[in-house]
Amino acid sequence: QVHLVESGGGVVQPGRSLRLSCAAAGFTFSTYAMHWVRQTPGKGLEWVALISYDGRIKKYADSVKGRFTLSRDNSKNTLFLQMHSLRAEDTAVYYCARPGGYDLRGYFANWGQGTLVTVSS
Amino acid sequence: DIVMTQSPDSLTVSLGERATINCKSSQSVLDSSKNMNYLGWYQQKPGQPPKLLIYWASIRESGVPDRFSASGSGTDFTLTISSLQAEDVAVYYCQQYYSAPTFGQGTRLEIK
Repeated sequence: QVHLVESGGGVVQPGRSLRLSCAAAGFTFSTYAMHWVRQTPGKGLEWVALISYDGRIKKYADSVKGRFTLSRDNSKNTLFLQMHSLRAEDTAVYYCARPGGYDLRGYFANWGQGTLVTVSS
Repeated sequence: DIVMTQSPDSLTVSLGERATINCKSSQSVLDSSKNMNYLGWYQQKPGQPPKLLIYWASIRESGVPDRFSASGSGTDFTLTISSLQAEDVAVYYCQQYYSAPTFGQGTRLEIK
């Protein structure tokens, strides 16, 4: 059974940094691309970033490009999202999500429970 | 980015009745070479992450009740719940994955 658990969220001041983690279990993590999706009451669901199974391909939404960095440690079945220069509009619940197939372009078959990031002074 | 627009924003349906949600994309999400529409549907209940219902526009995810069905191609898609049950109260989202993923704004489904 696929299990994704996010951690690292919290309250952070504008301009500061935060690192989110997503621990994966129940599948062969090293063979799947992984994504981050965030959700706010105002903007709904927004795709944030994806990383290929081997970490060589990374893509970001324009809203976070240059500020967020995605990485993964396949030996530890863990996905990371390093967020810098945080803004109030980055306030959201952040979900890690696994695609249904092996394509980078995927529907999201599995989601974690999410971790809340609040950017506020 | 491909913009996904759902209608209606909210829907009130009686138990046992049919519920229909529409989703329109600003450009086609059909890969003609594969004849596949890169479109998924999700259900989200309060305090929970979205749950995948449908992928490739019409394929029901394992474990999803068969009262849920979906259709459409190109830019116009529909999710239908044939006989509404109390547990179907939720917000429903469409999502395209033809290019950088984008979601519709959501349709809130309630019971009359």
